[in-house]
Parts: sequence; structure tokens; C-alpha cells
Amino acid sequence: DVKVTQSSRYLVKRTGEKVFLECVQDMDHENMFWYRQDPGLGLRLIYFSYDVKMKEKGDIPEGYSVSREKKERFSLILESASTNQTSMYLCASSPGSDQPQHFGDGTRLSIL
Amino acid sequence: AQTVTQSQPEMSVQEAETVTLSCTYDTSESDYYLFWYKQPPSRQMILVIRQEAYKQQNATENRFSVNFQKAAKSFSLKISDSQLGDAAMYFCACEQGAQKLVFGQGTRLTINP
Repeated sequence: DVKVTQSSRYLVKRTGEKVFLECVQDMDHENMFWYRQDPGLGLRLIYFSYDVKMKEKGDIPEGYSVSREKKERFSLILESASTNQTSMYLCASSPGSDQPQHFGDGTRLSIL
Repeated sequence: AQTVTQSQPEMSVQEAETVTLSCTYDTSESDYYLFWYKQPPSRQMILVIRQEAYKQQNATENRFSVNFQKAAKSFSLKISDSQLGDAAMYFCACEQGAQKLVFGQGTRLTINP
């Protein structure tokens, strides 16, 4: 089975902090994705990556950046956390086009 | 831009009965994929079923089947013989090219024993 592991299930940070959310997949997948999930809005794509050191903006990239130094790891960075970034964050990976995405368990992030 | 709409925020069904969850989408792509994902209280998103737009035959996976109406841009999910373990949030999604998924708002399904 594909395993997508997110480093924290719950995280509490303060406004202005730099926050790192980590995601690791163990299936040598090419593609990795970061989404945020909010009630009534579903999932929205923040950033995605097709290869190491490559990144593409999704639909809501403002206030976020990403890093993919190794194929298996995709990090989401909140440069200066704000309260409106309180949300559930989901990481996903897939082997390539036409293949479904596999998701991690999510990180519920609270910014105080 | 692509949009996906799930007009039913909540649905409930009696155990062993059949329920249909609605989804409509809008896309300018001629070839695309549609998905239904399930998110139980454990939070992990699980793929339920996938439909390729160029295939006219509706996809089925055991008790789960879809009614895909390409001209109407409709993609509903039918769950037969509902079980308590089917209780979850269900998300419809459309791939907008290069594996970018656009999700609907979600439908919370409750199974009544």
C-alpha cells in the first residue's frame, strides 16, 4: 500500500511564526500536492510538484511556499503564519498522469 | 476555470438502503477524469471510484456506481446496500489537466441503523 505520512496530526502555532508542514511518501511517486480543506469549500490546491526542485502554483498559493529537495519529501512553508491560515492541510502523491492521488491523514493547524 | 458543485451538504440513509449523491462540474477539457473520494472521521481521503470521460460506460466498484452524464456534466454516486462504515464526507473531484484536481464542497453522509 502507498503510504503518505504527514509529520504532525495537530499543530498549534502563533501569528507571525514560520511554520513547516512535512510530507513523505514511500512509493517513489513523481507528483506531490498540498491542499487545504475548509468547511463548505472542499479541498483547494495550494502548490504541487512534478519532480525534485520543481514546483507549480495551485489555486491559492498566497502566503505559502514549498520545497522539494528529495523526491519523497514535499514541505509546505507558511512564511509568516496568520490566523486565516488556520485549517486542515492535506498532502497527496501520485505516480503520474491518469493515476489517482493518495492522501495523508492531514494536519490540523491552528494559528493563534 | 473549472468548478465542481455538490448541492447536498448533508444526506442520510437507512442502513441497507440506497442513496445517491449529486455532483455537477464545468470544464473546457475534452478528455478528463472524475473521482469520488471518501473521508471518514479518521480523516484519510480514500478513492472510491474513478471515471474516464471518454468512456461512456459508467464505472462500478462493488456497491458503488456512478451515473455519468457527459453532456449534462453530471457525475452522481450511488451507494447500494448502505453500511454503517459508509458514513463519511464524500467529495467529488474533476481533474483539470496535469493532475490538478478541483474538488466540490463535500456531502456529509450519515447512515442510520
